[in-house]
Amino acid sequence: AQTVTQSQPEMSVQEAETVTLSCTYDTSESDYYLFWYKQPPSRQMILVIRQEAYKQQNATENRFSVNFQKAAKSFSLKISDSQLGDAAMYFCAYRTAYSGAGSYQLTFGKGTKLSVIP
Amino acid sequence: DAGVIQSPRHEVTEMGQEVTLRCKPISGHDYLFWYRQTMMRGLELLIYFNNNVPIDDSGMPEDRFSAKMPNASFSTLKIQPSEPRDSAVYFCASSLSPAGSGYTFGSGTRLTVV
Repeated sequence: AQTVTQSQPEMSVQEAETVTLSCTYDTSESDYYLFWYKQPPSRQMILVIRQEAYKQQNATENRFSVNFQKAAKSFSLKISDSQLGDAAMYFCAYRTAYSGAGSYQLTFGKGTKLSVIP
Repeated sequence: DAGVIQSPRHEVTEMGQEVTLRCKPISGHDYLFWYRQTMMRGLELLIYFNNNVPIDDSGMPEDRFSAKMPNASFSTLKIQPSEPRDSAVYFCASSLSPAGSGYTFGSGTRLTVV
């Protein structure tokens, strides 16, 4: 079974600075998808960014980018020019690309709580 | 589209009572998931449906939990009888078939069993 590990329960960043959140995962599969979700205090889960394992290029979405290291099974999230609204829990998640029972479920890490200091 | 709609947003009930949580997925999405979130265990998949059919319910903790999807636009998660340890946030999410699609989550139902 796949596992997702977020080793930083909490992090903080100064407003306008850059912060990187870590995520590692364990899988024997070669094709899969990785996601970062944001959960602000409103508790709504919001998709931030996704990465396809077969793509070498790292995904970017405005101020959010990832550093995907497939061999190392690492998938970190970089937030540039941090804003107060970025304060939230961030969850890393894995989803297999193969079909079959259980193939569409997301496996989540425990989350990293990000605080943004004004 | 209004997104995934869950109701109620908050539910407080007494131990032993029946609780029903409701979810309306995004129109056209063929997968529906129920997750539970607690501080101790994080996000856990309870059950998911494909085209209204339950595919994997191995995450349902006990027989007290049941879920149905009578049509493509509605699903329920029922707990009977409820217990204090069922207190959690319950999320419904929907998705399109391609595995690369992320989920779209509802706002969740915070359940408190006293």
